[in-house]
Amino acid sequence: EAGVAQSPRYKIIEKRQSVAFWCNPISGHATLYWYQQILGQGPKLLIQFQNNGVVDDSQLPKDRFSAERLKGVDSTLKIQPAKLEDSAVYLCASSPGLAGGTSSYEQYFGPGTRLTVT
Amino acid sequence: GQQVMQIPQYQHVQEGEDFTTYCNSSTTLSNIQWYKQRPGGHPVFLIQLVKSGEVKKQKRLTFQFGEAKKNSSLHITATQTTDVGTYFCAGRRGGSNYKLTFGKGTLLTVNP
Repeated sequence: EAGVAQSPRYKIIEKRQSVAFWCNPISGHATLYWYQQILGQGPKLLIQFQNNGVVDDSQLPKDRFSAERLKGVDSTLKIQPAKLEDSAVYLCASSPGLAGGTSSYEQYFGPGTRLTVT
Repeated sequence: GQQVMQIPQYQHVQEGEDFTTYCNSSTTLSNIQWYKQRPGGHPVFLIQLVKSGEVKKQKRLTFQFGEAKKNSSLHITATQTTDVGTYFCAGRRGGSNYKLTFGKGTLLTVNP
């Protein structure tokens, strides 16, 4: 079974520029998550999708961050404009959720995108 | 909002020694999950605990969920160098969105 795919793996931008990250979850996984992980801290949930609907985006800085999950599969996370404090690893994860009649919420993480804002 | 606290933040042990990390939630949890993140890697799911007082074992790893479902622990017996990494607990409150709140993690280093 293929894992969660993310691209790019690394990105360096200047502040005030924009950037986009892409995630392809495990096939059939209904739930998709975007996390921000700052060095030395645990992942912080930015947004959670169930199929193509947003379940939780309470910690998403909506003035600069946006995310979408078209057709309930792939997802993109965008930052515009970026700030220095956005430097972090952005992790995408997926879980089966209620897909296929099972309820399994263990999360499978992708390799992440390391963003450096200068 | 919900807070999940982990202690210690760092732990350095000699190979063969035991290791324990503790997790405490500010609210009662529906379930708790544990993840391991190797240096430079991404979190990998280890286990989920659901029942009050539950204890699960995976080889040298023992996971416990407190009776009040507000705390948990991970104990590693006879650590090996392959155990190096950051161990995160992640708690979920009841509800339909299954949002997990991660602790800050415990970084384990093992001296061979």
